[in-house]
Amino acid sequence: ETGVTQSPTHLIKTRGQQVTLRCSSQSGHNTVSWYQQALGQGPQFIFQYYREEENGRGNFPPRFSGLQFPNYSSELNVNALELDDSALYLCASSRDGNQPQHFGDGTRLSIL
Amino acid sequence: QQQVKQSPQSLIVQKGGISIINCAYENTAFDYFPWYQQFPGKGPALLIAIRPDVSEKKEGRFTISFNKSAKQFSLHIMDSQPGDSATYFCAARGLYNFNKFYFGSGTKLNVKP
Repeated sequence: ETGVTQSPTHLIKTRGQQVTLRCSSQSGHNTVSWYQQALGQGPQFIFQYYREEENGRGNFPPRFSGLQFPNYSSELNVNALELDDSALYLCASSRDGNQPQHFGDGTRLSIL
Repeated sequence: QQQVKQSPQSLIVQKGGISIINCAYENTAFDYFPWYQQFPGKGPALLIAIRPDVSEKKEGRFTISFNKSAKQFSLHIMDSQPGDSATYFCAARGLYNFNKFYFGSGTKLNVKP
């Protein structure tokens, strides 16, 4: 059984740029959630996708957007990057939004 | 507003000792309380979880105690081992928004050999 995989593992961008992060959900899982984890903090919920539709959103501005594809993989897009966007971005998948969620190892995004 | 408050921020325990991490929540509309373990460079992994109709749940060396009236829950790690050294997060899921989890700020546990 393949777990949740995220790419890339590390990324460096400059302010104002745009970034796309990718997530492949665990086999059999149709729900993907994205989290932002700042250094020394707990993960913060960005949004969730269920069967290709956004299914809940946290307190993040519209420049954070996402997609889910028919194979249930997902993308997180962030426009107009700001220094505070530097964080570990985690993807978690589950079956029909039920627990448990399985997390990937994240993408470390650094904004210069 | 931080919905879930976690303490302590860091914890040092001797091998064989008991590690205790506490969390308190403010919103009564939570229905599921998991604990996650995170090693450096890895994503969080579900350790153990409890629902509010149960006061205690035990899995191996890990126990969750839940106090609904006080809105508090805690993780106890018995016979702590150096391999347990990691960061632990408590979390709570919204009753009316199953999609949204609120995480505590984490406890970095160091178990000394």
